[in-house]
Formats: sequence, C-alpha cells, structure tokens
Amino acid sequence: ETGVTQTPRHLVMGMTNKKSLKCEQHLGHNAMYWYKQSAKKPLELMFVYSLEERVENNSVPSRFSPECPNSSHLFLHLHTLQPEDSALYLCASSQDLGGGAPGDTQYFGPGTRLTVL
Amino acid sequence: AQSVAQPEDQVNVAEGNPLTVKCTYSVSGNPYLFWYVQYPNRGLQFLLKYITGDNLVKGSYGFEAEFNKSQTSFHLKKPSALVSDSALYFCAVRDLGGFKTIFGAGTRLFVKA
Repeated sequence: ETGVTQTPRHLVMGMTNKKSLKCEQHLGHNAMYWYKQSAKKPLELMFVYSLEERVENNSVPSRFSPECPNSSHLFLHLHTLQPEDSALYLCASSQDLGGGAPGDTQYFGPGTRLTVL
Repeated sequence: AQSVAQPEDQVNVAEGNPLTVKCTYSVSGNPYLFWYVQYPNRGLQFLLKYITGDNLVKGSYGFEAEFNKSQTSFHLKKPSALVSDSALYFCAVRDLGGFKTIFGAGTRLFVKA
C-alpha cells in the first residue's frame, strides 16, 4: 500500500508480557518514526531515528524501547505495559529529517492496534 | 512552540456539496503545512502540502487547501464531496529547521449520500 509495513496488525498482551512491534520500509528512506495514536487525541511522536541513530525520545516511558538495526527496519519493544498504553502504534518514514528538507512527506504504515489487558 | 488546531471534531456534508475542514496553526517562522487522511484500519495517507509559492495547493483525490498567512489557517476543501471521502483528516505543521511534525487531533468527515 504505502511501502511501509507493520507487524503484527493486532496485538493483545497482558501487563507482564514482553512483545515487539516491527516496522519495515521499502522506500529507501533515511528517517523513521514511531507515533502513538489514541482516540480523540493528536498523534504523539514517540521516537525518531535518522540513519539508525535515535534523534528524539519524546519523554516516552522506559517500558517502550525502540531499536533501529538498519535504515529499513524499526522495532518497538514492549514490556510491563499499562492498560493506558492501549492504542494504535504507527510507524512512518521520510526521505530525510525535516531540518534539511522540512517539506519531506512522511509515509505511514497501517499501524498495530495494541490492547493491554 | 508549534501547535495545530482543528476546531471541529466532526464535519457532516451531503454528497455533491462542497466541504471544508478547518485548520489553524502556530509556528515561529515560515510554516510547512500538511494534510493527511486516515481511512479505517489504515495508516495516514498524504494528501497535500504547502511549502512555498501559490497559496492554493492542489492535492490528491480532488482536494485542495488554501494557505492564509494573516489568519494562520490552512483549510482543506473539495468542491464536491463523495461518500468515499468519509474518513479522519489530520492537519500537521513543521517549522523550518525542525524535524518534528506536529499533528492536530483530527476531524472526522461524514459524507452522506
């Protein structure tokens, strides 16, 4: 669809589980992002990676741990989550970070719908 | 600090009528403005963006948006709505030199046949 894929599409986990979300982009982009989308709230930027280096950690709790092994893959490792962490987690990529190209468009994956019981 | 406001949670319009989804922004310096659409069970899809130049920007699926610097607005418009336009629409802003894109809370558009 958009060149950005996310797995799994749906995930139900208990508060003591450990799971990981995966994102892969096939667009040759250099920047990747994790967003959290909760109902009736603006998208919350969680993490930004540029060329596999984290450039932004937007005050995200440590129970969320990102990993970017290469410019095409981005993971979000989850452990000891809370019910309020239930949301749609969106991955996005762009050619570069905005500083050099602020008009860069972000391309989004379909998201992972996470439910924490 | 950058911010984006979408004052309407929901917009209802009849098919064939013109539609407007409102967006106002606050940013220091020149803004880069975006509209995205989200259909059910999908990620956000890019519609259009304003970088510089003409204040009227044309995008995908017949949508357009008008940049108004004095009113700090970037309203999304379409001359004739389709039922298939029903979706969640997000306005976003990024400032020159910044890499963060700030999104609004979204406006749900319902187009009734």
